[in-house]
Amino acid sequence: AQSVTQLDSQVPVFEEAPVELRCNYSSSVSVYLFWYVQYPNQGLQLLLKYLSGSTLVKGINGFEAEFNKSQTSFHLRKPSVHISDTAEYFCAVSLTGGGNKLTFGTGTQLKVEL
Amino acid sequence: GAGVSQSPSNKVTEKGKDVELRCDPISGHTALYWYRQSLGQGLEFLIYFQGNSAPDKSGLPSDRFSAERTGGSVSTLTIQRTQQEDSAVYLCASSLGGWDSPLHFGNGTRLTVT
Repeated sequence: AQSVTQLDSQVPVFEEAPVELRCNYSSSVSVYLFWYVQYPNQGLQLLLKYLSGSTLVKGINGFEAEFNKSQTSFHLRKPSVHISDTAEYFCAVSLTGGGNKLTFGTGTQLKVEL
Repeated sequence: GAGVSQSPSNKVTEKGKDVELRCDPISGHTALYWYRQSLGQGLEFLIYFQGNSAPDKSGLPSDRFSAERTGGSVSTLTIQRTQQEDSAVYLCASSLGGWDSPLHFGNGTRLTVT
């Protein structure tokens, strides 16, 4: 079975600073990888996804993530964060050929401070 | 257009009572998912409906949990004889069903069992 690990439950960062949210996965077969974001009092929405091709994926709001197969990682990055990026971020995987039933990590709360 | 709608948004119930949670997916979406979000636990997969196929019930935590999807649209998650550990936010999501189709989440139902 596949699993997702988000080691950082909370990440505080100052506005305009860079940020990296870590995600590692475990699977015996190929996977698709996703980052979802949950803004306060809102439902989860897709930030970006890796299906195939280029390992560097760009998403909404200036976020990007890089798939590293050898390290089984899919870390999320943004070069300069804004107050409005304060939210909870979830990494998720699905098995190729397994429909798109997602297995989520426990989430990372990003708190951007002035 | 309208997103995924869940009702009620909040539900407080006494231990031992049955509850029903409703999800209205986006029109035309063939896949529907239920997840449970507990504090510090991330999102836990419960059940997945895809078209007319038999649902994937592999995530249901006990036989007190059941779900149905009528007419390929609205879904109801039923929890019988609720326990305090059932307290969580129950999230519904829908998608077009393809392996690369993003999930669209509702805002969830916050269930509190007293």
